[in-house]
Amino acid sequence: GAVVSQHPSRVICKSGTSVKIECRSLDFQATTMFWYRQFPKKSLMLMATSNEGSKATYEQGVEKDKFLINHASLTLSTLTVTSAHPEDSSFYICSAARVSGANVLTFGAGSRLTVL
Amino acid sequence: GNSVTQMEGPVTLSEEAFLTINCTYTATGYPSLFWYVQYPGEGLQLLLKATKADDKGSNKGFEATYRKETTSFHLEKGSVQVSDSAVYFCALSASTGNQFYFGTGTSLTVIP
Repeated sequence: GAVVSQHPSRVICKSGTSVKIECRSLDFQATTMFWYRQFPKKSLMLMATSNEGSKATYEQGVEKDKFLINHASLTLSTLTVTSAHPEDSSFYICSAARVSGANVLTFGAGSRLTVL
Repeated sequence: GNSVTQMEGPVTLSEEAFLTINCTYTATGYPSLFWYVQYPGEGLQLLLKATKADDKGSNKGFEATYRKETTSFHLEKGSVQVSDSAVYFCALSASTGNQFYFGTGTSLTVIP
């Protein structure tokens, strides 16, 4: 079945540093990947849609300069949280849609970011 | 527009009790409907799906039927287990594109 690997699963960083989270589709090609942020006891908030070879499309209210998204290949998208602050601490989840086949999203296991 | 309204939790049940988590949707066109489950500290996993009206999705004893007339996709299980404790998300995917819309999630705790 389709597998999406997300790395790292947990990361702790100091305020002001940048953190990169990777999202890989292991056994299928994904032209589109999505990045979500999940707050405690809240639903998933779509941050941006990442399209291979083009700029990401950000949702309203998401700072594109703070959350840099790169989708350099059909199997890899990265989210970089720049100049992280404690309020950026959250659970970030990526998902990938197959190039072809059923309209189903496969989710990564998520990355827990803690900014001190 | 597209949206999903999901029963608020948390829900606490005793083992072997019957579970229903309500989900209704609004959508343009003919969406596909999904239930995803999130276990503590993990990402989301697809539990079941239905792609057209009257379809029934089922997996691991869970079922949901795509009801177009009531715009609903309620999740049911006849006898829950402790291992079913998780957060359940109802979602829809528009008939075009891969944009997904999620409900707010319902936390389920099953006690022995």
